Amino acid sequence: KNQVEQSPQSLIILEGKNCTLQCNYTVSPFSNLRWYKQDTGRGPVSLTIMTFSENTKSNGRYTATLDADTKQSSLHITASQLSDSASYICVVSRSGGYQKVTFGIGTKLQVIP
Amino acid sequence: GAVVSQHPSRVICKSGTSVKIECRSLDFQATTMFWYRQFPKQSLMLMATSNEGSKATYEQGVEKDKFLINHASLTLSTLTVTSAHPEDSSFYICSAAPRGRDNSPLHFGNGTRLTVT
Repeated sequence: KNQVEQSPQSLIILEGKNCTLQCNYTVSPFSNLRWYKQDTGRGPVSLTIMTFSENTKSNGRYTATLDADTKQSSLHITASQLSDSASYICVVSRSGGYQKVTFGIGTKLQVIP
Repeated sequence: GAVVSQHPSRVICKSGTSVKIECRSLDFQATTMFWYRQFPKQSLMLMATSNEGSKATYEQGVEKDKFLINHASLTLSTLTVTSAHPEDSSFYICSAAPRGRDNSPLHFGNGTRLTVT
């Protein structure tokens, strides 16, 4: 069964601190993995996208890693800001196009002053 | 960057009425658009895949006669919730990707909060 599991479900950190979110998947055959940020009441916004051959990809203070062998990905947020408070969703695509995507439930991050 | 516009952002309707939600890709063509539903504290759940010029493909358990999808052009898909009931109250989101670019990110609309009274 194609699944995407994220941990933790929720996280509270102090402004300025770093944090790492995890994503484990069983989706096969793997095509790519995306991290999205979803603010409350808004649509998700893409942060990173990685294919099988990519291990690390950065977007500003966001750095995603991918281990295709262990089927794990992480999203590291550096020097967190209050505006980072949101849900972070891991989305894994199977080969065959957009129809074959599996969403994780997301990690709800709250950054407090 | 690629923009997907969804309208309306919020709608309140009475039970038994129908509501139409529009999803537009503003600066690219999208052969395929997707409609999702999201309940509080849950992930997005794919409802259906909207294909330009052909019938939509619905996920298991989604009533096609209740959630009518029309994808009349390469930039517009609509979702009509027919005979809405309070249990249809939810956050509905669409997404689209540039035509022919399978590895580009999906671009999401900002969602529509539907409340059925």
